[in-house]
Amino acid sequence: AQSVTQLDSHVSVSEGTPVLLRCNYSSSYSPSLFWYVQHPNKGLQLLLKYTSAATLVKGINGFEAEFKKSETSFHLTKPSAHMSDAAEYFCVVRDSGNTPLVFGKGTRLSVIA
Amino acid sequence: NAGVTQTPKFQVLKTGQSMTLQCAQDMNHEYMSWYRQDPGMGLRLIHYSVGAGITDQGEVPNGYNVSRSTTEDFPLRLLSAAPSQTSVYFCASSGALSNQPQHFGDGTRLSIL
Repeated sequence: AQSVTQLDSHVSVSEGTPVLLRCNYSSSYSPSLFWYVQHPNKGLQLLLKYTSAATLVKGINGFEAEFKKSETSFHLTKPSAHMSDAAEYFCVVRDSGNTPLVFGKGTRLSVIA
Repeated sequence: NAGVTQTPKFQVLKTGQSMTLQCAQDMNHEYMSWYRQDPGMGLRLIHYSVGAGITDQGEVPNGYNVSRSTTEDFPLRLLSAAPSQTSVYFCASSGALSNQPQHFGDGTRLSIL
């Protein structure tokens, strides 16, 4: 069975400092992994996806994530936080096309000026 | 290029009333799903469909019905609304392959009094 654990419910960083949002997953297959972002009172937007090609995945707005199979992790990073990055971030795993996506409980990112 | 369209955006119901949340997509996606989002709980899957005429239950299906008569539409029915169903509801769609990300609607904010 697939599952996702986001290790921090809330992360706070200063503007201009690095961002690290941690995600561990469990899957019986070679999964597809995604990060989504949700700004307040908005829907979910895809940041990036891993689909068994390159292990370092680049997404929008300067975010990237590294797939580490040995650690079953898919952590999201950004070198320098911007105020507009303040949002809720969700790590998502999917085993196959006909199985549902499984969402982590989310990490709220706060950016301090 | 509409994507996933949810209606209504806001709704207030009284306990015991019924209603249907509409979801339509124009991307010819086979996979569609409904989630509810509650504070601290992430997104929880209510029902999903892998194609017209095929539906299945997710994590929290009780109190909700779905049907999929066409590829484009996937309505969610609340049979007898309860205060516990106060939530934000998201509809999403994707292609049949596991590496295809889900596209989300903007959500329906539902309050049950």
